[in-house]
Amino acid sequence: QVQLQESGPGLVKPSETLSLTCAVSGYSISSGYYWGWIRQPPGKGLEWIGSIYHSGSTYYNPSLKSRVTISVDTSKNQFSLKLSSVTAADTAVYYCARQNAAAGRIFDYWGQGTLVTVSS
Amino acid sequence: QSALTQPPSVSGSPGQSVTISCTGTSSDVGSYNRVSWYQQPPGTAPKLMIYEVSNRPSGVPDRFSGSKSGNTASLTISGLQAEDEADYYCSSYTSSSTHVVFGGGTKLTVL
Repeated sequence: QVQLQESGPGLVKPSETLSLTCAVSGYSISSGYYWGWIRQPPGKGLEWIGSIYHSGSTYYNPSLKSRVTISVDTSKNQFSLKLSSVTAADTAVYYCARQNAAAGRIFDYWGQGTLVTVSS
Repeated sequence: QSALTQPPSVSGSPGQSVTISCTGTSSDVGSYNRVSWYQQPPGTAPKLMIYEVSNRPSGVPDRFSGSKSGNTASLTISGLQAEDEADYYCSSYTSSSTHVVFGGGTKLTVL
C-alpha cells in the first residue's frame, strides 16, 4: 500500500521560505510516476502547485512558478517543496500525492495534509 | 477563479440519486477523456473516485459513476448514503501549461 506523509513547520513568517517534505512508503519513487504538491486554502478549493518525475524533471503551475522549487531524493524515497517569499495568501493545507500521468495526470494516492500558516 | 465550473452545493435524501456537473472548455474537458473526480469528507484528504471520465479505482462502490458530454462532465451518485456527504472536486487534463486543473468543488449534503 502506497503511503505518503508530509512534514515541516506549521508556521512560517511572511517573506520567508516554506519548506515541506513528503516521505513515501510502500513504493519506490525510483520506479516511476510523477510526485506532486497540491494546496487548499482554508474553506477553499484545490490548487495544483507542481510535480516532479523520479528523474528530477519538474513542471510547475505558472501562477507559482517563480517562487516554487520541487526536488526529489530517491535515496531517502522522499520529495520536497520550497515556496519562497510567502504571504498570508499562501496559508493552506499542503498535500503531497502520487501523480499518474498515464491516466490523465490523476492523483491516486494522497498524504493526510499539513496546515501551514503564514503569520508574523 | 477555478478553471472548471461546479455548482457550489447539491443535496439529496438517502436512497436518491444526485448528479454533480463540471463544465470546462475545449482546452480541457471537451478535448480529453481525462476527467477525474475526488471525494473529500470534512477534515480529510481527497480520495480518487473516478478517473478517465468513467473508470472506478478498486474499492470505489459502483454507486459512483461518471460521464461526459461536450465540455461538461458529470458525477452521479445513486442510492445516496449518509457517508457520501462530502465535498467533491472534478479535475481534468488541460492543454494549457498547467497540465491539470481542478473545479471549485461541490458540497454534497445528504438530507
